[in-house]
Amino acid sequence: QKEVEQNSGPLSVPEGAIASLNCTYSDRGSQSFFWYRQYSGKSPELIMFIYSNGDKEDGRFTAQLNKASQYVSLLIRDSQPSDSATYLCAVNVAAGNKLTFGGGTRVLVKP
Amino acid sequence: NAGVTQTPKFQVLKTGQSMTLQCAQDMNHNSMYWYRQDPGMGLRLIYYSASEGTTDKGEVPNGYNVSRLNKREFSLRLESAAPSQTSVYFCASSWDQETQYFGPGTRLLVL
Repeated sequence: QKEVEQNSGPLSVPEGAIASLNCTYSDRGSQSFFWYRQYSGKSPELIMFIYSNGDKEDGRFTAQLNKASQYVSLLIRDSQPSDSATYLCAVNVAAGNKLTFGGGTRVLVKP
Repeated sequence: NAGVTQTPKFQVLKTGQSMTLQCAQDMNHNSMYWYRQDPGMGLRLIYYSASEGTTDKGEVPNGYNVSRLNKREFSLRLESAAPSQTSVYFCASSWDQETQYFGPGTRLLVL
């Protein structure tokens, strides 16, 4: 079992709809959770991080963390074609000094 | 601020050749990281340096060496390149060993 798992997609979403991305992790001791966006041919860029159970909102993005069920999700509201990218989930496994990344979910927003 | 810079942007090597990938950051970050990204594999950590003067192996260190030259610079060396090392290499840096900022990447093709 991989330490951090994501559905590879593609997740196809109509413009204006909500895109829902999920990420599960195996280490119950994980403390910190990150979402990165990566456009094709570009480097990953941080869009959100979350440390506590519950929801965290930043603009059109909402991260949701459930440590008991060991998953973290990302919601993108009012999806735009510019949101089409691969979204990487990253977890600070066992509170170490490095991140473990999932394989990424490709999102396609269709006009 | 330039953030994280990497050189070269693209390189073609023949099997058995050696090369060094350079990375520098101007954000006064303590930690620096080298990843490789292959299709469908997400980001895999090769080596990292939690602070100046220290380096540690990541998930896939075989065939690579690193040098933390000073606080700003962290280089990755391939002593004898193999086709399996064809990949996109990203350098990243972090102040708090969690939130990481990535360079633009180096595309390496080993023939």
